[in-house]
Amino acid sequence: DAGVIQSPRHEVTEMGQEVTLRCKPISGHDYLFWYRQTMMRGLELLIYFNNNVPIDDSGMPEDRFSAKMPNASFSTLKIQPSEPRDSAVYFCASSPPGLAQDTQYFGPGTRLTVL
Amino acid sequence: DQQVKQNSPSLSVQEGRISILNCDYTNSMFDYFLWYKKYPAEGPTFLISISSIKDKNEDGRFTVFLNKSAKHLSLHIVPSQPGDSAVYFCAAHNAGKSTFGDGTTLTVKP
Repeated sequence: DAGVIQSPRHEVTEMGQEVTLRCKPISGHDYLFWYRQTMMRGLELLIYFNNNVPIDDSGMPEDRFSAKMPNASFSTLKIQPSEPRDSAVYFCASSPPGLAQDTQYFGPGTRLTVL
Repeated sequence: DQQVKQNSPSLSVQEGRISILNCDYTNSMFDYFLWYKKYPAEGPTFLISISSIKDKNEDGRFTVFLNKSAKHLSLHIVPSQPGDSAVYFCAAHNAGKSTFGDGTTLTVKP
């Protein structure tokens, strides 16, 4: 399996622009997580889905952030408008159903820089 | 309120010696604990886990110990190797999601 795929790997944009991050989970996994990693706040959970349905979005910082999972093989995290404080590494992770659901498989991350 | 804490930001160990990484948590509802390892420019990768009903789990050079009464877990790496140099995250799982500590950077010197 190719593992969790994220694109782009790097994104540099200007304040006010819309940013869309993409994730393809591992086939057969029914949980999908979006995390943000910063020096100040560490690795924080933004939102997670189960069977394409958002379960907990309490970590989404504000209305500028939105996430969708239109099908089992694709998810997006959108920031509109972007701000310099959104600069971070964004990770997507997926986990399998059943007893192994606690083990998450992470993608390589997208490093976002907002100027 | 940080529910999972790794109080040591960094640890340096000589090759061949034991590395001990520590993690404390506050929520007694956590039912599973995991350790992840992260290299630069990569995502975290799962290393080892332990259920809250156990106090020890071993996998090769890696052993995780859980002390529920103290709400403390630790990861032991014996013997440590230079390739173990990475950031180690402790995570605690409950109700479908994991809460991560801030990580400890381990450096194993040859």
